[in-house]
Amino acid sequence: ILNVEQSPQSLHVQEGDSTNFTCSFPSSNFYALHWYRWETAKSPEALFVMTLNGDEKKKGRISATLNTKEGYSYLYIKGSQPEDSATYLCAPDTGRRALTFGSGTRLQVQP
Amino acid sequence: DAGVIQSPRHEVTEMGQEVTLRCKPISGHDYLFWYRQTMMRGLELLIYFNNNVPIDDSGMPEDRFSAKMPNASFSTLKIQPSEPRDSAVYFCASSLDHRGITEAFFGQGTRLTVV
Repeated sequence: ILNVEQSPQSLHVQEGDSTNFTCSFPSSNFYALHWYRWETAKSPEALFVMTLNGDEKKKGRISATLNTKEGYSYLYIKGSQPEDSATYLCAPDTGRRALTFGSGTRLQVQP
Repeated sequence: DAGVIQSPRHEVTEMGQEVTLRCKPISGHDYLFWYRQTMMRGLELLIYFNNNVPIDDSGMPEDRFSAKMPNASFSTLKIQPSEPRDSAVYFCASSLDHRGITEAFFGQGTRLTVV
C-alpha cells in the first residue's frame, strides 16, 4: 500500500489570500506525481502531472512544485477566489499506471 | 468525446440484491479504473484494466465484488449480494498511456445506497 499524506486536511481562507498545501509520498519507485481538483458534487479533474525533480507547473493562479528526492510536492494558490473552493488531491504514480490518491486537502475560500 | 459515462447516476437497492454499475470509457483509452469514495477511506482504487485485461484487483474488498471489461468500450462492476456498508460513490475513470504518463479522466460517479 502506497503511503500518501496530504496536509492540512482542511483550510479556510479569505478571498484574496494566498495558500499552499503539501503532498508527501515515498521517494522510492517514483514515476510521476499528479494533482487533481475535486469540486463538491463533481468528479476529480486533473490539474498537473509532474515527473522531474525540481519540476514546476503553473495554471493561472495555481502552481505546483516537486521534490522527488525527499518525496514531497507543494501546491500554491495565489489570491484565492471562492471558485477555488474544492478538495485538492495528489496521487503518486509508481509506474503501474493506477493512481493511489491521498485523502486530500479541502479548501474553503470565503468571499 | 462525451467523456467517461457512468450509469446509473444514482442507485438505491435493498440489502441482498445484486447491483450492476456500468461504465463507458473515453474512446481510444487503454486503461480503465474503478474507484470508490467513502468518508472513511477517501478515493480508493478497486480494480483496473489495461486493454480489457484486469491488471490489479487487490483493492476489491470482497468476493461479493466483481468487475468485467468485455470490450474496449464497456465495463461493469457488480456487487452480489449488496450490503449497507457498500453504500458509497463509485467512480469509473479511463486514461491513455502517453509515453508512460496516464492522466485519468473520471466519470460523474454512481451514488449507491444499500438499505
